[in-house]
This record gives sequence, C-alpha cells and structure tokens, in this order.
Amino acid sequence: QKEVEQNSGPLSVPEGAIASLNCTYSDRVSQSFFWYRQYSGKSPELIMSIYSNGDKEDGRFTAQLNKASQYVSLLIRDSQPSDSATYLCAVLYNFNKFYFGSGTKLNVKP
Amino acid sequence: TAGITQAPTSQILAAGRSMTLRCTQDMRHNAMYWYRQDLGLGLRLIHYSNTAGTTGKGEVPDGYSVSRANTDDFPLTLASAVPSQTSVYFCASSDGRDRESGYTFGSGTRLTVV
Repeated sequence: QKEVEQNSGPLSVPEGAIASLNCTYSDRVSQSFFWYRQYSGKSPELIMSIYSNGDKEDGRFTAQLNKASQYVSLLIRDSQPSDSATYLCAVLYNFNKFYFGSGTKLNVKP
Repeated sequence: TAGITQAPTSQILAAGRSMTLRCTQDMRHNAMYWYRQDLGLGLRLIHYSNTAGTTGKGEVPDGYSVSRANTDDFPLTLASAVPSQTSVYFCASSDGRDRESGYTFGSGTRLTVV
C-alpha cells in the first residue's frame, strides 16, 4: 500500500503570512508530486507539480521536494483569504496512477 | 471549454437500485479514473483505465463496475446501491505520458443512497 500522509489541520495563518503545508510519502519509487487545491463543494484543481529535488516556484507558491527524506511541501507566500481551502498532496507512480493524501485544511484569517 | 463532464450533478438513490454515473472527456487523454471522496478519508481510487478497452481495480472497487468502450467515455455503474456508497464521486483523466501534467477532474457527482 502506497501511503501519502498529511496533517489534516486546520492550519490557521494571518493574512500576509507564509503558509507551510507538508506531505510525506512511503514509496521511494514515486515519480512526481502534485499539490491540488480544493474549495468546499468543488473539485480539486492542480496548483503545482514537482519531480526533481529542490524548490520550484510559481508566483506565490513554492513546492519543495526532498526525495531522500520522502517529503514534499508547499509554501504559500503573502497568504490571502481566498487561499482558504483544503490542499491535497498527490504522488504519481508508473506515469498513470496517483495516490492522494487526505488533505490539509488551510484557513487564512483577514 | 475542454475538460471533463460528469452527470448527474447530484442524485438521491434508493438502496438496491442501480445507477450509472457518466463521465466524458474531450482532451483525448488515454487514462481515466473514478474516485470517491468521503470526509476524513480523502480521495480513494475505485477503478481506472489506462487506455480504451482496458480497465483495472483501484483501492475500493467492490460494488462498482466500469467500461471503456472508447477514449472519451468512462461510465461508473452501481449494480445494487447500498448506503455506504453515499459519497461524492469524481471522474478524472490524465495524459499518461507527461509526469508533470497531473489530473484533470470533473465537477463531481454527489450521490446519496437512502
């Protein structure tokens, strides 16, 4: 069983702060890693993907991957109330099978 | 707009009845998936299809069946619904050749079995 673990939260941060979301995975053969954002009652939407060790930045979002320690994180700079959502970590195996964590709920307080 | 269409949006179903959840994509993605999402349990894979004509079982396949007659359509059938199948069901697709592209999700079907 391939496991993807996330703290369910909620994680509360003030507006303008950096939100840090973490995810660990169990299988060292994992190929790529994804962060999805899901608003209540909506479907998940892809924010970022990463497959190489290190950092990948896209606007206010930075994904960090450490394969040796088997964790991936998402940093959200200058957090806004509109960032309040559940963030799902997903791990890709064999180019076509994804395993999801149960998600971390983020609350950004004005 | 390209993407995945799911129908119906929501449904209340009597236990013991059958139902087919529809999923159609227009992106010519090879791989398609059905997930259910329950509070506290996240997204769990029901069935998947790597290409037209093939299907496979995911984590929670019991009580569900799928078919993949062509690239675009991937219906999910509940033969005899039970209350534990009350959930939100998401269909998704992926290119299958690009390790960065991730999934595209449909808008979901909220199913209540009573």
